[in-house]
Amino acid sequence: DSGVTQTPKHLITATGQRVTLRCSPRSGDLSVYWYQQSLDQGLQFLIQYYNGEERAKGNILERFSAQQFPDLHSELNLSSLELGDSALYFCASSVEGSKNEKLFFGSGTQLSVL
Amino acid sequence: GNSVTQMEGPVTLSEEAFLTINCTYTATGYPSLFWYVQYPGEGLQLLLKATKADDKGSNKGFEATYRKETTSFHLEKGSVQVSDSAVYFCALSGRNTPLVFGKGTRLSVIA
Repeated sequence: DSGVTQTPKHLITATGQRVTLRCSPRSGDLSVYWYQQSLDQGLQFLIQYYNGEERAKGNILERFSAQQFPDLHSELNLSSLELGDSALYFCASSVEGSKNEKLFFGSGTQLSVL
Repeated sequence: GNSVTQMEGPVTLSEEAFLTINCTYTATGYPSLFWYVQYPGEGLQLLLKATKADDKGSNKGFEATYRKETTSFHLEKGSVQVSDSAVYFCALSGRNTPLVFGKGTRLSVIA
């Protein structure tokens, strides 16, 4: 158990809909990361937060947004969903977000857009 | 930008065989290098890391050496077990850039 909790584990929805994925980092970790894993693209970095502030942005679509709340949990919002958004979404956390740090990953949310 | 290229799988080996999974990288500056492993139905977990040139990371019989001259970080294990069956990801992290992953190599070890 990594200590990172993601909910829900599975999500099935239709095109055009909006969903929210939730992540609770390990106790004491200030930095949260979101990754998208698909068969064709592999693991793609989406966005990183540190103590409530956005720190780095990757290949995140404009239809997607995220935030980190004062209690350090994070939510990833995906809107106007398309079939191609079907993927496994991982959240990870680390203490400070520095380059040498180990990331702790949750078990992921499997999103299926039908 | 930063990128990682690792050998495509799947790789199938018999128990006790020698394993090598190749990984090369492109990066500016002095990145840190990692191998992560993903077991079925689970998230990724760190296997080993190296933070500077010529460092060797090791864990659970796996090793990888940070080679700046060849921009490589190949993963090796002398004798694989069935329990090593998983997907292995090479990754790098730069000063202001979070982890960038390779596409992953699926390893299957048969008894």
